[in-house]
Amino acid sequence: EVQLVQSGAELKKPGESLKISCKGSGYRFPNFWIGWVRQTPGKGLEWLGVIYPGDSDTRYSPSFQGQVTISVDKSVSTAYLQWSSLKASDTGMYYCARAGATDDSFDPWGQGTLVTVSS
Amino acid sequence: EIMMTQSPGTLSVSPGERATLSCRASQSVTSNLAWYQQKPGQAPRLLIYDASARATGIPARFSGSGSGTEFTLTISSLQSEDFAVYYCQQYNDWPRTFGQGTKVEIK
Repeated sequence: EVQLVQSGAELKKPGESLKISCKGSGYRFPNFWIGWVRQTPGKGLEWLGVIYPGDSDTRYSPSFQGQVTISVDKSVSTAYLQWSSLKASDTGMYYCARAGATDDSFDPWGQGTLVTVSS
Repeated sequence: EIMMTQSPGTLSVSPGERATLSCRASQSVTSNLAWYQQKPGQAPRLLIYDASARATGIPARFSGSGSGTEFTLTISSLQSEDFAVYYCQQYNDWPRTFGQGTKVEIK
């Protein structure tokens, strides 16, 4: 079974750093793009970016370029999303998801990681 | 950036009735479009990819159509488990973008 398992919920203060993870199993991890999607009550689903674990090729949404960093460690089949200095506006649910072999739709999705940034 | 616009925002439908959801792209995405279903407290689930191909395990009552800039998701006979929010997403161009969602509620 193809599965993505994300790290647990985080409560952070503005200005703090954070790295959340997404571990893939049940498939050849290096061969499929992994993406990150944010969900907030006011803005629905937002596509942050994707990474190809095989060569770490990364694409970002212009809205998130410079705000987050997507990385991968294929030796442990894990993708990461990190912030160097969190803001309250980073609060939301973050999902990772795998792209398909022949198309870039996302399936499956991880269970989500809730990030709360509050002083 | 390609903007995806879904309509209506909310659709009130009785169980057993047909639901028709629309998604419009600001420029052509050819057939590179997906539909997702999301229920409260759950991650989105892929329903349709490549505009009309059903994902694994998705019931035949879900169908997708369209190409270019106009797309439709049809649920032929709504079941109780189909009341949810539905999102379209284009993957023809970078960055990939989602529509704002259509909520299907019980009438």
